[in-house]
Amino acid sequence: EVQLQESGPGLVKPSQSLSLTCSVTGYSITSNYWGWIRKFPGNKMEWMGYISYSGSTSYNPSLKSRISITRDTSKNQFFLQLNSVTTEDTATYYCARWWYGGYPDYWGQGVMVTVSS
Amino acid sequence: DTVLTQSPALAVSPGERVSISCRASEGVNSYMHWYQQKPGQQPKLLIYKASNLASGVPARFSGSGSGTDFTLTIDPVEADDTATYFCQQSWNDPPTFGGGTKLELK
Repeated sequence: EVQLQESGPGLVKPSQSLSLTCSVTGYSITSNYWGWIRKFPGNKMEWMGYISYSGSTSYNPSLKSRISITRDTSKNQFFLQLNSVTTEDTATYYCARWWYGGYPDYWGQGVMVTVSS
Repeated sequence: DTVLTQSPALAVSPGERVSISCRASEGVNSYMHWYQQKPGQQPKLLIYKASNLASGVPARFSGSGSGTDFTLTIDPVEADDTATYFCQQSWNDPPTFGGGTKLELK
């Protein structure tokens, strides 16, 4: 069974970078697409971006200048880096398998990240 | 971006039928997907491409629609269906989500 697990700091200071890891078991990240989604307080959900089986990336234009998604195929992990965070980046961050770029069919449990000084 | 509009909340009694709507600000063909999220849990895929039941999802759930208007139907509703339901489109870039409909049982 495909399982995903996010890890990373739960508290980040404003202007710093947010870095999260998604560890995948039961499926190789060299197949399919792997993405990040965040849910803000109040329920709004936002697709942040994904990395494909080949390593190509696609990002939400609203984040394009601040976001980077990379991977380590030897560890079957992919990563999120979001630069210059503000309090508006406070959210629960989910990693997911994004079925051939269409929709997330397997999700991690999510990690709550608070941006605060 | 394509805006997806959902009603904020619905309340139904167990055993009834409920329809949850999602309206897109522009056409998304049949590329609408539905998720269920319970408190403290990750979202779970219910329906993909408007009407296809995801693996392991009970047949009480069904989806319909195309273009700009879509519906998730639960029939009959059970107590365990208390959750927030989200729609998501993947036809237009970037992919976007609806604001969610909170389903409560009377």
